[in-house]
Amino acid sequence: KQEVTQIPAALSVPEGENLVLNCSFTDSAIYNLQWFRQDPGKGLTSLLLIQSSQREQTSGRLNASLDKSSGRSTLYIAASQPGDSATYLCAVGGNNRLAFGKGNQVVVIP
Amino acid sequence: EAEVAQSPRYKITEKSQAVAFWCDPISGHATLYWYRQILGQGPELLVQFQDESVVDDSQLPKDRFSAERLKGVDSTLKIQPAELGDSAMYLCASSRIQGYEQYFGPGTRLTVT
Repeated sequence: KQEVTQIPAALSVPEGENLVLNCSFTDSAIYNLQWFRQDPGKGLTSLLLIQSSQREQTSGRLNASLDKSSGRSTLYIAASQPGDSATYLCAVGGNNRLAFGKGNQVVVIP
Repeated sequence: EAEVAQSPRYKITEKSQAVAFWCDPISGHATLYWYRQILGQGPELLVQFQDESVVDDSQLPKDRFSAERLKGVDSTLKIQPAELGDSAMYLCASSRIQGYEQYFGPGTRLTVT
C-alpha cells in the first residue's frame, strides 16, 4: 500500500520568503503526482500535475519536482504572499487511484 | 471554466437517518470518484466509476454506503443509517479518463448528531 508523508505538518513564513514543501512516498511505481491546495472548509484545487516520466513542472510562482527513485517530490512557492496561506496536499497516482498525504498547513505572515 | 458541482454544501443529520449527496462531474469526464476527508487528514477514496460501472469500491463500507452513476454522468452517494463517525467532508472528483488529472468539487460537509 502506498504511504505518502508530508513534513512539516505546519509552518509559518514571513511574506516574501520562498516556501519549500516536501512529500515522500514509499512505492516508486507511480503513474503521476499531483499537488493540490485546500482552503479551510473547501474542496481541493489542482496546482500542478507531474507525469512519472517528468522531473518537474512549473506554473507561475510554483515549481514542483519529482524524484521517483528516491520517492520524493518538492513544491516550491517563490516570494510567498498572505494569499498563499492554505493547506497543500500531495497525491501520488498509481493503480488507478490517488494516495494522499495529510498535508502541509502554511501560514504566510504579512 | 468547467467545474465539478456538488450539493448540498452542508448537511446536518441525526444518527440513524439517511443522507444523500449529489455530484455532477465536468462534462465529458468518464471517471468519477467519491472521497471522504476527515479533519486533518488527506482524502481517502470510497468509490470510483468508469462511465456507469464501479471500478473500485474496496474502501466503501457497503453495509451502510451505496453509490450509483446510472447514466454515466451525475452520481449519488447515500448513507443509511448515518453514524457519528461518518461526520466528514465528502468530496467528488472527475477526470477525463483513469489516471489523468483529477478535478475536485467544493465538497459536502456532513455533521451527524
